[in-house]
Amino acid sequence: DVKVTQSSRYLVKRTGEKVFLECVQDMDHENMFWYRQDPGLGLRLIYFSYDVKMKEKGDIPEGYSVSREKKERFSLILESASTNQTSMYLCASKTGGVGYTFGSGTRLTVV
Amino acid sequence: SQELEQSPQSLIVQEGKNLTINCTSSKTLYGLYWYKQKYGEGLIFLMMLQKGGEEKSHEKITAKLDEKKQQSSLHITASQPSHAGIYLCGALNADKIIFGKGTRLHILP
Repeated sequence: DVKVTQSSRYLVKRTGEKVFLECVQDMDHENMFWYRQDPGLGLRLIYFSYDVKMKEKGDIPEGYSVSREKKERFSLILESASTNQTSMYLCASKTGGVGYTFGSGTRLTVV
Repeated sequence: SQELEQSPQSLIVQEGKNLTINCTSSKTLYGLYWYKQKYGEGLIFLMMLQKGGEEKSHEKITAKLDEKKQQSSLHITASQPSHAGIYLCGALNADKIIFGKGTRLHILP
């Protein structure tokens, strides 16, 4: 089975901190995605990547950046965390074919 | 841009009863995904539909895509406590998925 692993289930960070959320997949997928999920707003796409060192903005990229130095790892970076970035963050990967596989999520709280 | 509307937003059903969740798209659907999410966890893939009129089943869950490919429904027969969670529909849009806001399903014992 494809596995997408997010390094932390829960994180608490202070306002202004630089935050790294890590996502690793084990199936050589080209496409990887970062979403955030908020009550009443559903899942919104932050950034995605089609290949190593490639990145594309999603619907809500402001305040975030990403890094894809290796195919299996896609990192989401909050340059200066703010309270409105408190959310559930979900990583997903996909290769040609049917399904997108999601990680278990990281619940980030910024205080 | 494409938008997906799910209804109802929330559903409370007695165990053993049938239920239906709907997903309506503002544009033609070229791939429609259904996912389930338990509270605080990641998304679990249920089914993908691509062809107009297509219907797929997995255990007690059946999903359909209408002929015009703008609406999908998810039907659960004889609901069980294990069916509780959030159900999300997603539309394939230029190799990424756009999601509806989800339907929260509660099952009463």
